[in-house]
This record gives sequence, C-alpha cells and structure tokens, in this order.
Amino acid sequence: DGGITQSPKYLFRKEGQNVTLSCEQNLNHDAMYWYRQDPGQGLRLIYYSQIVNDFQKGDIAEGYSVSREKKESFPLTVTSAQKNPTAFYLCASSTGGGAQQTQYFGPGTRLLVL
Amino acid sequence: GNSVTQMEGPVTLSEEAFLTINCTYTATGYPSLFWYVQYPGEGLQLLLKATKADDKGSNKGFEATYRKETTSFHLEKGSVQVSDSAVYFCALPSGAGSYQLTFGKGTKLSVIP
Repeated sequence: DGGITQSPKYLFRKEGQNVTLSCEQNLNHDAMYWYRQDPGQGLRLIYYSQIVNDFQKGDIAEGYSVSREKKESFPLTVTSAQKNPTAFYLCASSTGGGAQQTQYFGPGTRLLVL
Repeated sequence: GNSVTQMEGPVTLSEEAFLTINCTYTATGYPSLFWYVQYPGEGLQLLLKATKADDKGSNKGFEATYRKETTSFHLEKGSVQVSDSAVYFCALPSGAGSYQLTFGKGTKLSVIP
C-alpha cells in the first residue's frame, strides 16, 4: 500500500540536543512538507520541498533544518535553537503545488522535551 | 493570499444527530477545497475534496458542496456515530501556484451515545 510513514511515533529531546524526525513516502510524489501542530491549534508550515535537492522555508522555519537528497525522504532536524520544540509534527506529500494540489499526511511524531 | 474561516466549536452531538460544520473561504480563482479529519493521537486524513464550483465531495456519509455564490464549503452528515468523534479541518491552497495549504483552526466534534 502506498503511503507516508513517520518515525518514531514519540521522541524525547534533552536540552541542547538536536533530534531528527524521519518521513518517507512511496507515493512517488514530488513535493513534501513539514507541519507543526500545537494543542488546540491549527497547522503551521515549517519547510517544504518541491523537488529533490530543493526546499523552502515556511512560516516558522527558525530552529529547524531539512534535507531532500532522495525523492522518498524528507527528514526534519529540530535543533537546539528551537526553544519550544514540544509539539506534534506532521509530514505530508503531494504531486505538486497550485490550486489543484492535494496533500496527504503521515501519522505524525510527538516530540517531548525532557 | 487565500483564507478560510471555520466554525470553532467544540461541538457535542448525540448519536444519529445531524451535523453541520461551517467553513467559508476567500480565494483568487477557484482552487480545490478540502476537509481533513484528525482522530485522537493520529495524523490528518483527507476526508473529502471538491475541485470546482458546484462540485460535491463525499466520503463515509460526509458531504460538502463547493458554493461559489456564498463562498462556502460546509461539512454535513445526516447521522453521526460515536466513531466520528474527531477534529475536522477545512483547507484550501494558499494561492495560485502556491505549495502551501491554508487550514482553518479545526472543529472538535464529540458524539455521545
């Protein structure tokens, strides 16, 4: 079955530590996205990638970094510069952008600070 | 850019009640419109979509019609079940050519037996 996988389901970060969230898709989609969701709030875009080896900042990119070396993979690193990282992180993918795009989401990773 | 305003809730209904969650939008052109559902502790699932004016999206008994005249995309279900308890998000592309989606703030639905 085609879909998006995210790992781990839960992740714990210590102070000053960088952590990396994994996102893999086998939908053959060109575009991939990372969103952050805080309790009781909507989704905010962190980074997105339209194509391999290219990515753009979203609305809240500070304290995060990404890479897109393979079409299937779009890992997100939460750096020590992100002072409030506790949140639910969602990865998504789509065939492209524009008015007729459809984004599909993974199951999410919950990041907690120790 | 495009924007969406969604009824915030929370909404509590008895099983078999009729559901309406309001969503209105402002947009340039006629982008696709979406409803996503998020069950507790899970990611978002695409519930339904409509790609042009007067289109009706439907799935799992839920329906929404793309109304150009009233710039609305209200979600409806005739008879809700306990298993429909979730958060529902209305969304649309942020602009022509944009890779971003703009989401409503979500409406939490609780269905009680």
